Amino acid sequence: EAQVTQNPRYLITVTGKKLTVTCSQNMNHEYMSWYRQDPGLGLRQIYYSMNVEVTDKGDVPEGYKVSRKEKRNFPLILESPSPNQTSLYFCASKRTGDNSPLHFGNGTRLTVT
Amino acid sequence: GNSVTQMEGPVTLSEEAFLTINCTYTATGYPSLFWYVQYPGEGLQLLLKATKADDKGSNKGFEATYRKETTSFHLEKGSVQVSDSAVYFCALSSSASKIIFGSGTRLSIRP
Repeated sequence: EAQVTQNPRYLITVTGKKLTVTCSQNMNHEYMSWYRQDPGLGLRQIYYSMNVEVTDKGDVPEGYKVSRKEKRNFPLILESPSPNQTSLYFCASKRTGDNSPLHFGNGTRLTVT
Repeated sequence: GNSVTQMEGPVTLSEEAFLTINCTYTATGYPSLFWYVQYPGEGLQLLLKATKADDKGSNKGFEATYRKETTSFHLEKGSVQVSDSAVYFCALSSSASKIIFGSGTRLSIRP
């Protein structure tokens, strides 16, 4: 089954404790992206990747890192999480081309205390 | 810059009512337009799309027409069901790397 898999679904952590949210897709998509969803703000793009070893900042990249060593994986790294990073995070992938739709994972709800 | 504006929610309707969720956009060039739906506890999934002016996207009884003259892509359904309760996002894509989402509209359908 074609899918984007994120782990974990829920994560509670404390300020400053490094964490990684994993994302994997099995559709051989070139493009992958991370978004955060906050009430009233819709989805905001954190980072995206057009292909292996190619990553770029989205609209809200501060406090986040990503890597794209393999085509299928695109982990999101929070080196020193802070409470303002408490949010619902989504990974998504698609083929290149501006009319290709995004395929989303089921989300990771992160709470930083 | 490019942007998407959609009507504020929540929207509450009775079953079998007619639905319209407004979406307008600002973009240079000729973006592709999308509606995504998010059911509780799930990620977004594509509902429909349109890639050029006057295209009509349709799926599961939902429709939206790409209107370049009014820069709009309103979502409509003739008779909603309880199972349509979800959050709906309008989005545009003006390049291979940038997809911009509206703030989402929560829809609740009463039996």
